[in-house]
Amino acid sequence: LAKTTQPISMDSYEGQEVNITCSHNNIATNDYITWYQQFPSQGPRFIIQGYKTKVTNEVASLFIPADRKSSTLSLPRVSLSDTAVYYCLVGRTGANNLFFGTGTRLTVIP
Amino acid sequence: DAMVIQNPRYQVTQFGKPVTLSCSQTLNHNVMYWYQQKSSQAPKLLFHYYDKDFNNEADTPDNFQSRRPNTSFCFLDIRSPGLGDAAMYLCATSSGDTDTQYFGPGTRLTVL
Repeated sequence: LAKTTQPISMDSYEGQEVNITCSHNNIATNDYITWYQQFPSQGPRFIIQGYKTKVTNEVASLFIPADRKSSTLSLPRVSLSDTAVYYCLVGRTGANNLFFGTGTRLTVIP
Repeated sequence: DAMVIQNPRYQVTQFGKPVTLSCSQTLNHNVMYWYQQKSSQAPKLLFHYYDKDFNNEADTPDNFQSRRPNTSFCFLDIRSPGLGDAAMYLCATSSGDTDTQYFGPGTRLTVL
């Protein structure tokens, strides 16, 4: 089963780029990698998803090396409102192997 | 517009008194999930429905049951809540074509 490991916490100053890495050594061939953001007392919110190489959208980039055993979420120029917990999730829709990582608590400092 | 709706947002029950949490969706997604999230922990998948097919996680206690009467609604029944079942319960949906999950706001359950 594809379990994930992330740093417990990170601090960053406003305006900096933040990179959060997730390890998923047992990722299966059909698994996708998805990142979610969660604010206190809210449900997680989708940020970005990828299968391999690099994916970019309006809020983040996701870098996945060829072996897919890790992935890095990159948040450009963070602001105070990016303070949240970021989760890496590896798995397939409808499959019995969906595990959220421990989550990384990002604190953005003024 | 709300896409995944959970009711109630806050639920208080007594030890051992059955409780039902509800989730509805306007996305017409065929997969619906229930997660339990305790304080400062990651969401933990309890079970999910792929259409009408129920999939239970191996370590989900028998105390937790689920019903999905139609595409739009899914219920979480806790037959005899214990103090350890106090948590945020999150409902999520996804289509069969992508792995993106859309989460509701959650129901925070307190057990007295």
